[in-house]
Amino acid sequence: AQKITQTQPGMFVQEKEAVTLDCTYDTSDPSYGLFWYKQPSSGEMIFLIYQGSYDQQNATEGRYSLNFQKARKSANLVISASQLGDSAMYFCAMRELNSGNTPLVFGKGTRLSVIA
Amino acid sequence: GAVVSQHPSRVICKSGTSVKIECRSLDFQATTMFWYRQFPKKSLMLMATSNEGSKATYEQGVEKDKFLINHASLTLSTLTVTSAHPEDSSFYICSARVSGPGGLGPKLFFGSGTQLSVL
Repeated sequence: AQKITQTQPGMFVQEKEAVTLDCTYDTSDPSYGLFWYKQPSSGEMIFLIYQGSYDQQNATEGRYSLNFQKARKSANLVISASQLGDSAMYFCAMRELNSGNTPLVFGKGTRLSVIA
Repeated sequence: GAVVSQHPSRVICKSGTSVKIECRSLDFQATTMFWYRQFPKKSLMLMATSNEGSKATYEQGVEKDKFLINHASLTLSTLTVTSAHPEDSSFYICSARVSGPGGLGPKLFFGSGTQLSVL
């Protein structure tokens, strides 16, 4: 069964600094996708970044980058130049892609607090 | 990106009443809709997978008679919480993938969520 592990319940970062949110995963499906979502207090799920298991390069989207280490089964999110608006819950998630319309499985999340 | 419209965003109801939550895919066809539940400060847990024109598939421990899911069209899926009780109070959120040719890859699009409070 697929599994996502986020070991950091909460993280603090100084404004303008970079921060890394950890995520490890486990799956037996060779084809999978890794996602990061941001959930502010409003509850909406905001898609940040995606990494496919066969992608050769690490994904980047603006200030977000995904440090994909396939052998270690890790998919850490790096946020550069943190802003106060980055304070939110961050969820790592995975979909197995060989089985049709599969759901996202989420980690427990990390609450990021950006300090001025 | 694709838009999933979810209503209502917040509902307060009395114990014993039923509440219907709607999710509409506004600019794409969603053959499959996923329904998640999130307790405060917890992660999203999959409740059920809703397929257009067929019965929903429920996750272990989710009462199908309590959480009725209907996916009658390619753009609308509904979740009805029947005879709601205070323990059903939670944040419910739907998500869908753009199906078919030209779909936006494996990404799932989320509704904005519904906060249910049962008194």
